[in-house]
Amino acid sequence: QKEVEQDPGPLSVPEGAIVSLNCTYSNSAFQYFMWYRQYSRKGPELLMYTYSSGNKEDGRFTAQVDKSSKYISLFIRDSQPSDSATYLCALRADTGRRALTFGSGTRLQVQP
Amino acid sequence: GAGVSQSPSNKVTEKGKDVELRCDPISGHTALYWYRQSLGQGLEFLIYFQGNSAPDKSGLPSDRFSAERTGGSVSTLTIQRTQQEDSAVYLCASSLSVYQETQYFGPGTRLLVL
Repeated sequence: QKEVEQDPGPLSVPEGAIVSLNCTYSNSAFQYFMWYRQYSRKGPELLMYTYSSGNKEDGRFTAQVDKSSKYISLFIRDSQPSDSATYLCALRADTGRRALTFGSGTRLQVQP
Repeated sequence: GAGVSQSPSNKVTEKGKDVELRCDPISGHTALYWYRQSLGQGLEFLIYFQGNSAPDKSGLPSDRFSAERTGGSVSTLTIQRTQQEDSAVYLCASSLSVYQETQYFGPGTRLLVL
């Protein structure tokens, strides 16, 4: 079993829809939770970063962390065609290895 | 300022040949990471460097893979005797230090082993 599970999609939604992207994880040591966006043939770029539990909002994006369920989410409001990309969750523990553990990514397509 | 750069952007090689992939991190970033992204897969950690400390090589898949970082800046990932399963996108990232969570990624090198 992978440490981080993420539905690969593709997820296709109409413009303006609310998008929900999710990851589950098994390692309770993870404390840092990130979402990266990756456009085709580009490197990932950081969208949201949360430490420990709770919610964080940035414009149209909201990240949620539920450590009791080992479940993290990214919500995109008023989705735009420019949001079409692959979204990767990435997690890291407080101690030990400093590299990120990534989900496999969810491909999102927002139809105009 | 300039972001993370990688070269070459694409590399096609024959099975059994050695390849070198280069990464130029953001100036002033002391931590440098290498990841591999295979088709349909998430990013798989390979190795990271933090300043002058010994690198964490725990993600390297075999002894055919090695990396070095000269002068605390540029890094080279070397794959010896390439195999077809080495075909992937190799991504480099840097951060201010390993204690900073924000990693900035380069565009990657697409490696195809025939």
